[in-house]
Amino acid sequence: DSGVTQTPKHLITATGQRVTLRCSPRSGDLSVYWYQQSLDQGLQFLIQYYNGEERAKGNILERFSAQQFPDLHSELNLSSLELGDSALYFCASSGTGAYGYTFGSGTRLTVV
Amino acid sequence: KNQVEQSPQSLIILEGKNCTLQCNYTVSPFSNLRWYKQDTGRGPVSLTIMTFSENTKSNGRYTATLDADTKQSSLHITASQLSDSASYICVVSAGIGGATNKLIFGTGTLLAVQP
Repeated sequence: DSGVTQTPKHLITATGQRVTLRCSPRSGDLSVYWYQQSLDQGLQFLIQYYNGEERAKGNILERFSAQQFPDLHSELNLSSLELGDSALYFCASSGTGAYGYTFGSGTRLTVV
Repeated sequence: KNQVEQSPQSLIILEGKNCTLQCNYTVSPFSNLRWYKQDTGRGPVSLTIMTFSENTKSNGRYTATLDADTKQSSLHITASQLSDSASYICVVSAGIGGATNKLIFGTGTLLAVQP
């Protein structure tokens, strides 16, 4: 167990729908990062939050949004889903030094 | 442009053999370099992390090296096992430290260990 918890592990939904992925960081970690990994592709950085505030943005679509709550858990919201959004979505967390960077086990999203 | 390149893209070896994976980077300012192992469908798991002043670091049968002058790193796997079959990802952290650092991911080397 890495200490980073992601739920749900699997999600199947239809095109046009909206889903929310949840991530609880390791205890004490202030930063949360979201990544998308499509089949046979590398990890694509989506967005980073640090202590409740957006810190960095990557290749995140306008249909996607995220937030980090006061208890430091984070949610990634995906709307108007398309078939191409099917992927593994990983969350990672780190402390202030970005040294101990730990991934969760991911949420597998399948859009049908 | 910050970039991390890994080679080979894929590799097949026999169980018990050794192998070496390569990572070349052009990242500035360099903060640290990490190697991750990612099993299919699972989250990446950290193997080693090295800062500028570290040349080598071991984790069991995994040994990573770092040459900050040539901006190259390697991951050597000794006496490979079937469970080593996975994608190995090189990640370089760019920045002066802290939460503002940016992580640059390589596309990974897919290793298959055959009996």
